[in-house]
Order: sequence, then structure tokens, then C-alpha cells
Amino acid sequence: KAGVTQTPRYLIKTRGQQVTLSCSPISGHRSVSWYQQTPGQGLQFLFEYFSETQRNKGNFPGRFSGRQFSNSRSEMNVSTLELGDSALYLCASRTGGGAADTQYFGPGTRLTVL
Amino acid sequence: GDSVTQMEGPVTLSEEAFLTINCTYTATGYPSLFWYVQYPGEGLQLLLKATKADDKGSNKGFEATYRKETTSFHLEKGSVQVSDSAVYFCALLPKAAGNKLTFGGGTRVLVKP
Repeated sequence: KAGVTQTPRYLIKTRGQQVTLSCSPISGHRSVSWYQQTPGQGLQFLFEYFSETQRNKGNFPGRFSGRQFSNSRSEMNVSTLELGDSALYLCASRTGGGAADTQYFGPGTRLTVL
Repeated sequence: GDSVTQMEGPVTLSEEAFLTINCTYTATGYPSLFWYVQYPGEGLQLLLKATKADDKGSNKGFEATYRKETTSFHLEKGSVQVSDSAVYFCALLPKAAGNKLTFGGGTRVLVKP
């Protein structure tokens, strides 16, 4: 099975712009979660989508949003970019039903905000 | 709330040395526990997991045992290789569906030949 794929792998944007990141989960996985990784804050949960519905949300401002499509692919959008949004954004997928489901991560999108 | 505490790195070892990375957690109930590894420039790879007390997860020579009494999930490997140089993350996932992974701060391991 193909793993979780994320596009693009690298992005450079300037402050005030917006950005959209894409994640394709493992085939058959219906849950997609997004995490932000920074040197200062470590790995922080952004949100989880399951069957096109946001099921859980972390403590991030409303500039961070996401959605999931009927094929389980997910996009994450960040509007009005700030320098502090520079990070590695990781997507993870899991089957979605079980409480002990393992999350499988993609390679990440590295976003640099100038 | 839930939290995971890992020993801070970096941990520097010689090849074939014994590796231990301590991990303790705070959570309601009995979560599933995971170790993920991140190689330079890459995402997270699942290394091993345990879903209930006294379970032992193992993979690629790494082991960790779910200790309910001490709320710990320490990672061990008997003989490390240069290729084990990476950052290791301990994480927990509460049993309720839809909940998020909570990660420790990560421990960087450097193995020298």
C-alpha cells in the first residue's frame, strides 16, 4: 500500500499571504489529522477530520482551517501568514474507527514564511 | 490534561552501546502508547506501540513495555548502530475515538562509529 503523501514538500511564502497544503491518506483510511512541528513548541495537534467532518480541534487560531473530501483527501489552509507559522506540517491518517488506531504520518510540508 | 515527558537530549552513544530513552505520561484512563522516530528531513515513522498495561512493543531491536504502575514507556535497544541516529518521540493516544496524539518533546540520539 502506498503511504501518506503530502504536497508540496516545500513552500516559501511571505507574510500576509495564504497557503493550502494537501494530504492523501493511505487507501482505506478515513481519518486525517494535521500536526504542526516547530523547534520551540514541538509537535502540536491542529485538527482531525473523519468522513468529511471535523472531529477534533487543537488550540490554534481561526486562520488555520481544513477540510476533507469524499475520497478522504484533506487540505489545510492558513490565511494571513505570520512569521511564526514557519514549521513542518505533518499529516497523519488512520482507519478512523478504533480507539487504538495507529496514525501513519506523511513526510510533511515544510513551510517557510518570510 | 494529557502530557508526555521525555528525557532531554541529545544522547550521544558509541556504536553497539545500550540505549535507553525514558518516557513517562499523565493521562486519564489507560491510553495507547507509541514511539515514533524521525530521521533528518523526514516525517514520523511508527517504531512500536502498546495498547494495554504490561504489553511489550518491539521492532527493529527496539523494545518498550507499558508500565501502568509507573506510568512509563521507556524505549530500549541493546546495541545501537549509526543508522539509529534520529529523533525519537514518545506519544499517547487516549482510548476515546477521535482523540489526538499527545507527544513528548523528542529526544535526539546521535550514534558515533
